[in-house]
Amino acid sequence: QVQLVQSGAEVKKPGASVKVSCKTSGYTFSMFGFSWVRQAPGQGLEWMGWISPYNNNTNYAQKFQGRVIMTADTSTGTAFLDLRSLTSDDTAVYYCAREHLKHHWLDPWGQGTLVTVSS
Amino acid sequence: DIQLTQSPSSLSASVGDRVTITCRASLTIANYVNWYQQKPGTAPKLLISGASSLQSGVPSRFTGSGFGTEFTLTISGLQPEDFAAYYCQQSYRAPRTFGQGTKVDIK
Repeated sequence: QVQLVQSGAEVKKPGASVKVSCKTSGYTFSMFGFSWVRQAPGQGLEWMGWISPYNNNTNYAQKFQGRVIMTADTSTGTAFLDLRSLTSDDTAVYYCAREHLKHHWLDPWGQGTLVTVSS
Repeated sequence: DIQLTQSPSSLSASVGDRVTITCRASLTIANYVNWYQQKPGTAPKLLISGASSLQSGVPSRFTGSGFGTEFTLTISGLQPEDFAAYYCQQSYRAPRTFGQGTKVDIK
């Protein structure tokens, strides 16, 4: 059974950084990519970017360029999202999702990690 | 970036109703559309990939169709567990944008 389990909720001050992890099990880690998607309170889904654990290629949404780093540790089957220079607009639930390498659909998703940015 | 416009943004329906949600893309994207269902407080769940391929375990009352720029998700015979938000997503090109969502609630 494929599972993605994310790290717990975080509270950060403006200007800080946050690192969210996504631990996988039940499949060959390098055979799929990961997308990170966030959802602000009461809002829709926003795609942040993608990483392939196979070759560490990444593709970030322009909005997050220079502020986000996505990594993958094949030894532990874990993907990571690093987001810097946080503002209150970054308060959201952050999801990792396994991505089909060719057709890019997202399945399954992690349970989500709430990141709250507040002074 | 490819824009996806979903309509309606919300709708009220009764159990047993047939519901159709439309997703229009700002340029042609072949069949690279996926549909997700999200219930409050939970992660999205993939229902349909490649515009019309039903995922394993998803009830057959969900159908997807379309090609190019216009896509639809139809729920035939709405069930109580179908009241949720639905999102389309294009996987044709990065950034892999989502529609703004359609909330289906009980009339």
